Amino acid sequence: GENVGLHLPTLSVQEGDNSIINCAYSNSASDYFIWYKQESGKGPQFIIDIRSNMDKRQGQRVTVLLNKTVKHLSLQIAATQPGDSAVYFCAENTGGFKTIFGAGTRLFVKA
Amino acid sequence: DGGITQSPKYLFRKEGQNVTLSCEQNLNHDAMYWYRQDPGQGLRLIYYSQIVNDFQKGDIAEGYSVSREKKESFPLTVTSAQKNPTAFYLCASSRRLGGDSYEQYFGPGTRLTVT
Repeated sequence: GENVGLHLPTLSVQEGDNSIINCAYSNSASDYFIWYKQESGKGPQFIIDIRSNMDKRQGQRVTVLLNKTVKHLSLQIAATQPGDSAVYFCAENTGGFKTIFGAGTRLFVKA
Repeated sequence: DGGITQSPKYLFRKEGQNVTLSCEQNLNHDAMYWYRQDPGQGLRLIYYSQIVNDFQKGDIAEGYSVSREKKESFPLTVTSAQKNPTAFYLCASSRRLGGDSYEQYFGPGTRLTVT
């Protein structure tokens, strides 16, 4: 919605720079992790996922890193563009139907 | 085009009235979900349904009700018992990936304002 992310952590980057968005997850039993992008007034969109038996996965301009030792996920966006401005959520799934979402990070891209 | 539709995009109601939010999917997914999103918070699960005619309470089900009479549809009713109903409501459905993991697809959301 229009006020989603009003008080969220914010990352501001220059267009063309790389962005790194971090997320700490809660459950050491989680075995599937997803990053979502949410633009203002829209629903979240899937970006990339990773399973717990991997520590890195690459997509188009995006890379997800998983550190199970410290329960940490990161999303790296290469050559950040103005269209990347959004709120980014990490989510964890422990198997089954329920997924736990983080609070999100707002990414601002300066032209 | 396959996807999830929610209507309307904006909804206004007076306090004390029940209101029903629509969610339809044509992805042939068995599981559907309702989330609530408030500023500065992540998505919170209201209800979910694994299959037709079955649904389970999520973390914040009080003041809400759902039905799942058809696979494609999972309407959410916000009742007058919900103390703070103004929020952005998101519907999702999921497909099973390999193993026991589920990838969720989200609708565009409905912004409910109760005054």
